[in-house]
Amino acid sequence: GENVEQHPSTLSVQEGDSAVIKCTYSDSASNYFPWYKQELGKRPQLIIDIRSNVGEKKDQRIAVTLNKTAKHFSLHITETQPEDSAVYFCGGYTGANNLFFGTGTRLTVIP
Amino acid sequence: NAGVTQTPKFRILKIGQSMTLQCTQDMNHNYMYWYRQDPGMGLKLIYYSVGAGITDKGEVPNGYNVSRSTTEDFPLRLELAAPSQTSVYFCASQRGGETQYFGPGTRLLVL
Repeated sequence: GENVEQHPSTLSVQEGDSAVIKCTYSDSASNYFPWYKQELGKRPQLIIDIRSNVGEKKDQRIAVTLNKTAKHFSLHITETQPEDSAVYFCGGYTGANNLFFGTGTRLTVIP
Repeated sequence: NAGVTQTPKFRILKIGQSMTLQCTQDMNHNYMYWYRQDPGMGLKLIYYSVGAGITDKGEVPNGYNVSRSTTEDFPLRLELAAPSQTSVYFCASQRGGETQYFGPGTRLLVL
């Protein structure tokens, strides 16, 4: 099955700086890669996703890039704000429609 | 749409007791999932279903059972609760190959 590795496990940035979280996957059949944000005590919520036929996708301060050859994808958050502090999970789908999650990155934005 | 709803929000069980965690979605999604999330950890798949009448084991199914008699409902049954089952349980649903939507979670404490 799919194996998704996520780095780093923790990340601290100054407010206004950028944050980058990277995931690698093992199954070349994976074709859909969502990113979820989970605030303390809340459910995971989708913030951005990308399909394997696209190399980059942006939504305001958030962007995701995908390198299919290297089998990795990254979340980029620019101009970070304190409300961006949360745990971020990447995911990878194979054709079996099961979502394999990374282990999570705890992002702390320091005011 | 209410999306994915879960009941109860919180429950305390004694060792050896049983309970059912309820999950309902009103988005007509075929796929439904149960995850557990231990404190500070990622999401682990317990069971999933690709449609009414069809269920399959995930990564950590021991101690749990599920059923899927309708498209909307996917209850999770805990038999003989153990302290190791103390966790937050999330139900999720999706249309095939699309985003997973999570319920608010059920916090379970087994003492």
